[in-house]
Amino acid sequence: AQSVSQHNHHVILSEAASLELGCNYSYGGTVNLFWYVQYPGQHLQLLLKYFSGDPLVKGIKGFEAEFIKSKFSFNLRKPSVQWSDTAEYFCAVSSRPHGNNRLAFGKGNQVVVIP
Amino acid sequence: GAGVSQSPRYKVAKRGQDVALRCDPISGHVSLFWYQQALGQGPEFLTYFQNEAQLDKSGLPSDRFFAERPEGSVSTLKIQRTQQEDSAVYLCASSLVARTGGLNTEAFFGQGTRLTVV
Repeated sequence: AQSVSQHNHHVILSEAASLELGCNYSYGGTVNLFWYVQYPGQHLQLLLKYFSGDPLVKGIKGFEAEFIKSKFSFNLRKPSVQWSDTAEYFCAVSSRPHGNNRLAFGKGNQVVVIP
Repeated sequence: GAGVSQSPRYKVAKRGQDVALRCDPISGHVSLFWYQQALGQGPEFLTYFQNEAQLDKSGLPSDRFFAERPEGSVSTLKIQRTQQEDSAVYLCASSLVARTGGLNTEAFFGQGTRLTVV
């Protein structure tokens, strides 16, 4: 079964600081990788996704993530955060042999940006 | 509508009561998923529909949980004889196509139904 690990569940940082959230998954086959964000009181929204090709993926709002197959990782980064980036961030994986797009999520990172 | 709609947003149920949670997916979306998100956890897969067919229900935690999508659009998740451990946010998601890895397989999530069993 797939599993997804996210560390440092609570992250507090100041505006303009850089952010990196780690994501490791356990499945050894071909995977699709996602980062979702949930702003306070809102639904889960897709930040970025990786299916194939360039392992450095750029998403919305200045976020990017790098797929490193040898490390089973898909870390999320943003060079300079804003107060509006306060949210919960979830890494998710789907694997093709499942035949559908069911997602396995990590536990999430609660990020608080202090103005 | 523009997005996935779930109702009710909040539900308080007494232990032993039956509940029904509704999901209206984005019009035309083939795939529909239900997830359960406990406090402090990420969403956990419950079940998957392709049109009206329930192709995967391996995540349903017990036979008290039942989901249907009779006309391939609106779906209902029913929980019978609710217990305190059923308290969670229930998320519905839909995506346009069924096949894995395609460019249109992004899942769009609703805001969820927060179920509290007392």
